[in-house]
Amino acid sequence: DAGVTQSPTHLIKTRGQQVTLRCSPISGHKSVSWYQQVLGQGPQFIFQYYEKEERGRGNFPDRFSARQFPNYSSELNVNALLLGDSALYLCASSAPNQPQHFGDGTRLSIL
Amino acid sequence: QQQVKQSPQSLIVQKGGISIINCAYENTAFDYFPWYQQFPGKGPALLIAIRPDVSEKKEGRFTISFNKSAKQFSLHIMDSQPGDSATYFCAAGIQGGSEKLVFGKGTKLTVNP
Repeated sequence: DAGVTQSPTHLIKTRGQQVTLRCSPISGHKSVSWYQQVLGQGPQFIFQYYEKEERGRGNFPDRFSARQFPNYSSELNVNALLLGDSALYLCASSAPNQPQHFGDGTRLSIL
Repeated sequence: QQQVKQSPQSLIVQKGGISIINCAYENTAFDYFPWYQQFPGKGPALLIAIRPDVSEKKEGRFTISFNKSAKQFSLHIMDSQPGDSATYFCAAGIQGGSEKLVFGKGTKLTVNP
């Protein structure tokens, strides 16, 4: 079975630009969560979506937004990129009360 | 109160030795404690998880010990192998609701042959 897939794998942007990252969950998983992992740190929770509704939001500015589609895939959007947004963005999917399974992430570099 | 503190930051052990990583939390509402293993260029992979109604859980060479009163939990890797060299993260969460996981800062484990 396919795991969580994320695209693109790498992305280079400049300050002020906007970016969209994509995630396809494991088949049958209706919950998708997004995390930011800065180099040398643990992942930090950004959003969780379940059945296309936002269930949780971490301590991130409004420049970060997300949505979930009817097929349970998800997009994370970041506007007005800052140098500090450079990180690995991870998507995780899960079934109710089951462990979260992570994709390999999108490495975002801001120049 | 949402923090999970993890130690040590890095750990070097010899092949066949025991690796021990410790974590502590403050929020008593946490009821789910997973450990993840991450290799360079990869996402975190679930190793083993525990809930507070048990004090120990073992899966192969990996054991979680949980001390609810001290709000601490630890990962023990028995017979450590060079292939175990990776970064390990403890996490804590509340099942149901937002399923947000709070991660520790990670431990970089190196197992020398």
